[in-house]
Amino acid sequence: DTGVSQDPRHKITKRGQNVTFRCDPISEHNRLYWYRQTLGQGPEFLTYFQNEAQLEKSRLLSDRFSAERPKGSFSTLEIQRTEQGDSAMYLCASSSRTGDYGYTFGSGTRLTVV
Amino acid sequence: DAKTTQPPSMDCAEGRAANLPCNHSTISGNEYVYWYRQIHSQGPQYIIHGLKNNETNEMASLIITEDRKSSTLILPHATLRDTAVYYCIVSRSGNTGKLIFGQGTTLQVKP
Repeated sequence: DTGVSQDPRHKITKRGQNVTFRCDPISEHNRLYWYRQTLGQGPEFLTYFQNEAQLEKSRLLSDRFSAERPKGSFSTLEIQRTEQGDSAMYLCASSSRTGDYGYTFGSGTRLTVV
Repeated sequence: DAKTTQPPSMDCAEGRAANLPCNHSTISGNEYVYWYRQIHSQGPQYIIHGLKNNETNEMASLIITEDRKSSTLILPHATLRDTAVYYCIVSRSGNTGKLIFGQGTTLQVKP
């Protein structure tokens, strides 16, 4: 499979619990992005990595959110002490340095906080 | 990055060309125009991008005006599977960073 994989596809959690999502980018892509999308809205940028370095974080990424990309391969996005407002689709994308074919997005992880 | 303006929704008859407009009047010289689409419950899909010349690939054509202040995405023979939200985005060259998505245009292809 040469696409971007995200796991899990769906996650239901109770308010206050911690959750972690995983993204496996296309292997030759060195850039990886996380976005969040709520119903009826376009995706909102959260953060991006070039290799293992986290180069930019959005103000949307509160202290409860942390993202890592050890060794510049897969990435994880953790949300601590989840709140109902965290309910959304979390999308991961990757791209090559040249960007000739744009970003490739995964199918996302849908988080529901109850 | 420059902002874009798109109509919220459009209809198109199956088999006809779908022409989706986008205004980006504040685009700067090193910003590309990107188009993505998002089919329900899936991640966005890259369609095409361009700087100032018209571009064509197997999915669509991108027509950019000479002053680069607007562009049109053309799906030459729309099918029901082209029903989706289409996003026009301007971004600095070479995928150097984030894409800023707006609300997009919801295209409904009707039989």
